[in-house]
Amino acid sequence: KQEVTQIPAALSVPEGENLVLNCSFTDSAIYNLQWFRQDPGKGLTSLLLIQSSQREQTSGRLNASLDKSSGRSTLYIAASQPGDSATYLCAVPPGGGADGLTFGKGTHLIIQP
Amino acid sequence: DTAVSQTPKYLVTQMGNDKSIKCEQNLGHDTMYWYKQDSKKFLKIMFSYNNKELIINETVPNRFSPKSPDKAHLNLHINSLELGDSAVYFCASSLRAGEETQYFGPGTRLLVL
Repeated sequence: KQEVTQIPAALSVPEGENLVLNCSFTDSAIYNLQWFRQDPGKGLTSLLLIQSSQREQTSGRLNASLDKSSGRSTLYIAASQPGDSATYLCAVPPGGGADGLTFGKGTHLIIQP
Repeated sequence: DTAVSQTPKYLVTQMGNDKSIKCEQNLGHDTMYWYKQDSKKFLKIMFSYNNKELIINETVPNRFSPKSPDKAHLNLHINSLELGDSAVYFCASSLRAGEETQYFGPGTRLLVL
């Protein structure tokens, strides 16, 4: 059964710092890996999706990497801003078909102005 | 335009009641999902539908019955509500099962008293 772990559970840094969020998964037979952002009381916003054949994806100040064989992904946020404060969730589909996503418990990020 | 919408946004009800949550997506996607986010903010897949057919049911009590009248709608009906059903329920959709980005609705906050 797929399990997803995110480290750290919480992170507070001053504005402007570059930071890395970590995600690990137990079953490397995944189609893709998706990073989401959730603001308090809101739904999930998809940030990046990395296909299993890819090593990384970039969107603006965000860069996500995937090492499928070791079961790891990182989300790199450059030049952090207070608006980046949110909970970041990593998720993988366990395999082919409509299996839904298995989520980590998230990293709660606070960027101090 | 809202991609994935849910109604109602908030639902407060008494134990034992029956309630429904509606979900609609205007993205033309084939696959729709229901997730439950508990009080500890952990997200877990409940159901997955592909082209109106149930694909997975992740050990959800049979008091929960999803219904898909067409590809754009996946409603969740809950019978005999219990205190433990209190959570945020998210609907999501993706173009194809298991391979594409999932787009989430804003969530329905259910409180059972």
